[in-house]
Amino acid sequence: DAKTTQPPSMDCAEGRAANLPCNHSTISGNEYVYWYRQIHSQGPQYIIHGLKNNETNEMASLIITEDRKSSTLILPHATLRDTAVYYCIVSPAASSGYALNFGKGTSLLVTP
Amino acid sequence: GAVVSQHPSRVICKSGTSVKIECRSLDFQATTMFWYRQFPKQSLMLMATSNEGSKATYEQGVEKDKFLINHASLTLSTLTVTSAHPEDSSFYICSARDTGTYGDEQFFGPGTRLTVL
Repeated sequence: DAKTTQPPSMDCAEGRAANLPCNHSTISGNEYVYWYRQIHSQGPQYIIHGLKNNETNEMASLIITEDRKSSTLILPHATLRDTAVYYCIVSPAASSGYALNFGKGTSLLVTP
Repeated sequence: GAVVSQHPSRVICKSGTSVKIECRSLDFQATTMFWYRQFPKQSLMLMATSNEGSKATYEQGVEKDKFLINHASLTLSTLTVTSAHPEDSSFYICSARDTGTYGDEQFFGPGTRLTVL
């Protein structure tokens, strides 16, 4: 799997947008960009994923650069409950049977 | 989205005993499930890949005779920690990739906190 680089920590004020960057310069053509988050002592929660187009769902938006070497996860209006470790992972599609390999992620702290 | 459950959520056992952890996909079938381990303040580390009806594939450094994995049905995989020792105390998380009902995603269980005394 391609490796990712994320800042170890970020702060965001409640109600503001949280923009979490991720570099994945060695991503392969068949690899997707996945974002998960883990709230303390819970299992990881799926947020969003994409291949090359920008994606949006009820939780977040995913912006992938045209060369696919980096991406940004956007939480449009962060709340205190969004405090968690956010993992950016590149991996082939689920149908390939590959496991998701987690890096160190970004610890996001949302403050009042 | 799909739901993956784990049982028990928390277990405390004495050193030398064996502990079984169950992982179930509740509303989809999973031919492949994965087991991870997470130590405090660290990321998830993949232990093994569990394939329904066949032997599990273990990551380098994970003892297959200590961490027994059984995936006897499309909705259930079990991890048995045999002769557990305090260094096995960790947060064990399973996941399953759904390639049908809910699309191309990997869903995680809530985790099992194992404490070996």
